Amino acid sequence: KAGVTQTPRYLIKTRGQQVTLSCSPISGHRSVSWYQQTPGQGLQFLFEYFSETQRNKGNFPGRFSGRQFSNSRSEMNVSTLELGDSALYLCASSPKGNSPLHFGNGTRLTVT
Amino acid sequence: AQTVTQSQPEMSVQEAETVTLSCTYDTSESDYYLFWYKQPPSRQMILVIRQEAYKQQNATENRFSVNFQKAAKSFSLKISDSQLGDAAMYFCAYRSSYNNNDMRFGAGTRLTVKP
Repeated sequence: KAGVTQTPRYLIKTRGQQVTLSCSPISGHRSVSWYQQTPGQGLQFLFEYFSETQRNKGNFPGRFSGRQFSNSRSEMNVSTLELGDSALYLCASSPKGNSPLHFGNGTRLTVT
Repeated sequence: AQTVTQSQPEMSVQEAETVTLSCTYDTSESDYYLFWYKQPPSRQMILVIRQEAYKQQNATENRFSVNFQKAAKSFSLKISDSQLGDAAMYFCAYRSSYNNNDMRFGAGTRLTVKP
């Protein structure tokens, strides 16, 4: 089975721009979660989608949004980028709520 | 809110020896799951081991085992016969059984393995 695939792997944007990150979960996994990883804050939960519905959201501003498609693929969007948004964004999928998360390789976003 | 604490930012171990990574957590819930994840330089988080809180027996996966002390809210990871490939960041994580849509992670412990 193919693992969780995140694209792109690296991204460089300037302040004020917007960005869209993509995540394809493991086949059959309906839950997709997004995390932001920074050296200062560690891993922080952004949101989780299950069957195209956002079930839970972390403590991030409204500039961070996401969606999930009928094939379980998910996208995350960040608008009006700030320098502090520079981070590794990790996507994880699982078949159901209490299963372990399976992570992708992440997208490294740099905002200049 | 649940919090996870890893008090050791860095640890090192000699190849073939044993090392223990510490993790404590804070929760008022009685049912939950605990995990250890490994993040090598490739950046991908890899599940090392999981423990269900309702199980008293400590989980074991080959050279990896845990010491789960529910009353003390402690969940340490023991790596036996350490190998060079074990070098990575290790994250302890908590997931509620009641609201299992987000997983809380500790700050991580960077493990170095010396040849």
